[in-house]
Amino acid sequence: KQEVTQIPAALSVPEGENLVLNCSFTDSAIYNLQWFRQDPGKGLTSLLLIQSSQREQTSGRLNASLDKSSGRSTLYIAASQPGDSATYLCAVKSGETSGSRLTFGEGTQLTVNP
Amino acid sequence: SQTIHQWPATLVQPVGSPLSLECTVEGTSNPNLYWYRQAAGRGLQLLFYSVGIGQISSEVPQNLSASRPQDRQFILSSKKLLLSDSGFYLCAWLRSSYNSPLHFGNGTRLTVT
Repeated sequence: KQEVTQIPAALSVPEGENLVLNCSFTDSAIYNLQWFRQDPGKGLTSLLLIQSSQREQTSGRLNASLDKSSGRSTLYIAASQPGDSATYLCAVKSGETSGSRLTFGEGTQLTVNP
Repeated sequence: SQTIHQWPATLVQPVGSPLSLECTVEGTSNPNLYWYRQAAGRGLQLLFYSVGIGQISSEVPQNLSASRPQDRQFILSSKKLLLSDSGFYLCAWLRSSYNSPLHFGNGTRLTVT
């Protein structure tokens, strides 16, 4: 059974700092890994999707890496801003069918202080 | 572009009352559709998913059911709500290829009193 862990559970940083969020998974047989952002009381917004054959994906100030063999992914946020404050979740997709489930981590709650 | 609509945004219902939450997706055909529940503390639990009309897979035995009467419509129901059904319910979709990203609606906050 796939298990996804995110460390740390909460993180508080000053504005402008570069930061790394971590995601680890127990079964390396994944199809992709997705990072999401969730604002309080809202749904999840997809940030980046990394296919199992890829090593990293970039979008603006965000960079996500994937090391499938070691069961790890990191989300790097450059020059953090107060608007980046949110909960960040990672999810891995396993299984062969398109209906296969995603397994979510419990998220890292990020606070960027002005 | 594709959009997902989920309603209502908030709902307060008494114990024992029925429930119907609706989700629709626009701009795509034959999507895979999902219902998740998020309890306090952030964990996401997959409740149901559907790969086509009338095809429902249940992940967790519970007081809820799901139906997909049309290609882009997914409904979460209950005949009699329990206090433990309170939570944040999220509908999600992805294209029916296994390497597509998952997209979420804005969620429904359900409080059972």
